[in-house]
Amino acid sequence: EVQLLESGGGLVQPGGSLRLSCAASGLTFSSYAMSWVRQAPGKGLEWVSCITGNGGNTNYAGSVKGRFTISRDNSRDTLYLQLNSLRAEDTAVYYCAKDRNYGEDAFDMWGQGTMVTVSS
Amino acid sequence: QMTQSPSTLSASVGDRVTITCRASQSISGLLAWYQQIPGKAPNLLIYKASSLESGVPSRFSGSGSGTEFTLTISSLQPDDFATYYCQQYNSYPLTFGGGTKVEIK
Repeated sequence: EVQLLESGGGLVQPGGSLRLSCAASGLTFSSYAMSWVRQAPGKGLEWVSCITGNGGNTNYAGSVKGRFTISRDNSRDTLYLQLNSLRAEDTAVYYCAKDRNYGEDAFDMWGQGTMVTVSS
Repeated sequence: QMTQSPSTLSASVGDRVTITCRASQSISGLLAWYQQIPGKAPNLLIYKASSLESGVPSRFSGSGSGTEFTLTISSLQPDDFATYYCQQYNSYPLTFGGGTKVEIK
């Protein structure tokens, strides 16, 4: 069974940092591009960032570019998101999501999400 | 930019429901639809505008091309009361519509 399990969320002060992790199982992790998608409380979905299967290419939403960094360790089947210079508007549930197929950024598998709260 | 309508829809079990998603420019049919139940992660229903994801009931269908797309639920079931999102994956940044909440009438 394919499973994605996020961790690393929590309460952080404005300007602080966090690192989120997403552990994958049941799939050939390195074969798939992965994304982070977030959802602020009571709001819609917002794509944050993605990374190719080999980690060679990344993309970011304008709202996080320069502050967040996506990476992956295919030897550990784990995706990461480093969140720096956090702002109140970054408060959200962060989901990791798997591309359905090579070059197809529709997400057929999602984790359960990890909550990030930015507040003093 | 993806614009969904309506933002809220009230319907009864058995109703035929249609949700529209408009893109600000052509997205070459690279559109997905998701269902999200409160407190849960989204679930992929449709990809490439009209392809049904494995395991998704056949009452869900997608259509459209260019900049206008629709999700249709042919006969609404109790499990279908949820929020639905479209998403384009033609170009970065990937973008979602604002969502359509399907409520019980």
